Amino acid sequence: DSGVTQTPKHLITATGQRVTLRCSPRSGDLSVYWYQQSLDQGLQFLIQYYNGEERAKGNILERFSAQQFPDLHSELNLSSLELGDSALYFCASSVVVDGELFFGEGSRLTVL
Amino acid sequence: AQKVTQAQTEISVVEKEDVTLDCVYETRDTTYYLFWYKQPPSGELVFLIRRNSFDEQNEISGRYSWNFQKSTSSFNFTITASQVVDSAVYFCALRPSTSGTYKYIFGTGTRLKVLA
Repeated sequence: DSGVTQTPKHLITATGQRVTLRCSPRSGDLSVYWYQQSLDQGLQFLIQYYNGEERAKGNILERFSAQQFPDLHSELNLSSLELGDSALYFCASSVVVDGELFFGEGSRLTVL
Repeated sequence: AQKVTQAQTEISVVEKEDVTLDCVYETRDTTYYLFWYKQPPSGELVFLIRRNSFDEQNEISGRYSWNFQKSTSSFNFTITASQVVDSAVYFCALRPSTSGTYKYIFGTGTRLKVLA
């Protein structure tokens, strides 16, 4: 158990819908990262937050947005969903910016 | 450019064989960190090791060992006497530290299949 909690674990929805994925980092970790892993693909970096502020942005679509709240949990919002958004979405946290990432179990999103 | 290359897409070995997973990285940063992660069939990503650019000592942890060579920009991972439970996708990652980027850059992964 990494200590990073992601909900929901599984989510099935239809095209055009909007979903919110939630992440609670390990206690004390200020950095939260979001990654997308499509079928047989590597890990695509989406976005990083540190103590509530956005620090880095990767290949995140405009239909996607995220935020980190004062209690350090983070949410990733995916809207106008398309079939291609079906993927495993990982949240990770680290205690320092150069430290190892600890990943949650992921949220598997299926868009039908 | 910052990049991690794992040229081996898939490797199959028979149990008890040794296997080496290759990782080659590119960065202009003088300070950086390298990582290996394991993703078993259950899907979670498990941290295995972190190495900083100033520490070229090889590391051994049980059946796992890592060979870091700055001269060839490689950070290879060897599993000795492989077991079926080692079957997973293994990711190498790079975290540049001096260029101001906050990204962790992952390779595309190597799928290891250990056959009984």
